[in-house]
Amino acid sequence: AQSVTQLDSQVPVFEEAPVELRCNYSSSVSVYLFWYVQYPNQGLQLLLKYLSGSTLVKGINGFEAEFNKSQTSFHLRKPSVHISDTAEYFCAVIRVTSGTYKYIFGTGTRLKVLA
Amino acid sequence: DAGVTQSPTHLIKTRGQHVTLRCSPISGHKSVSWYQQVLGQGPQFIFQYYEKEERGRGNFPDRFSARQFPNYSSELNVNALLLGDSALYLCASSLGHENTEAFFGQGTRLTVV
Repeated sequence: AQSVTQLDSQVPVFEEAPVELRCNYSSSVSVYLFWYVQYPNQGLQLLLKYLSGSTLVKGINGFEAEFNKSQTSFHLRKPSVHISDTAEYFCAVIRVTSGTYKYIFGTGTRLKVLA
Repeated sequence: DAGVTQSPTHLIKTRGQHVTLRCSPISGHKSVSWYQQVLGQGPQFIFQYYEKEERGRGNFPDRFSARQFPNYSSELNVNALLLGDSALYLCASSLGHENTEAFFGQGTRLTVV
């Protein structure tokens, strides 16, 4: 069965520093991977996704992620963070069961950008 | 273009009551999914509807039900509310049932007291 593990529950980082949010997945079939961001009291916004093709995926707001099949990882990176990047970040994988496509989310990583 | 809209944004109910949450997908999207996000956790899949038919159900009790209308909007109903049903309920829409790009609404914050 597919599952997602986000290794860090909280990540504090200073403004303009680089950041990496870690995500590992388990899957025995085709992999569709996503990163979503959730700002306080809001829904989820898609940052980027990997369906196939190039393993380096670029998303919105300067974020990128690399799909690593051998390490079953999909870590999210940004070279220089801003205060406005403070939010909760969720890694997700799609599980396909009997024609149903459902997202399996990790428990989230709270990114706190410090001035 | 309007995104996914959910109503109401906040709701307070008493244990044992019933609640109906509503979702309007992005224009042209035919698939709607519902997720429950308990505080401090990631969203959990409840239902997927496509072309007005239920295509999948998560591990939730029968107190949870949903439907999709001819205009592709959807309702999530929860009966006999429990304190543990307090959560943010998210609706996601996508073009087809192959849900490889889901767009989420702002959610409905349900508090059961």
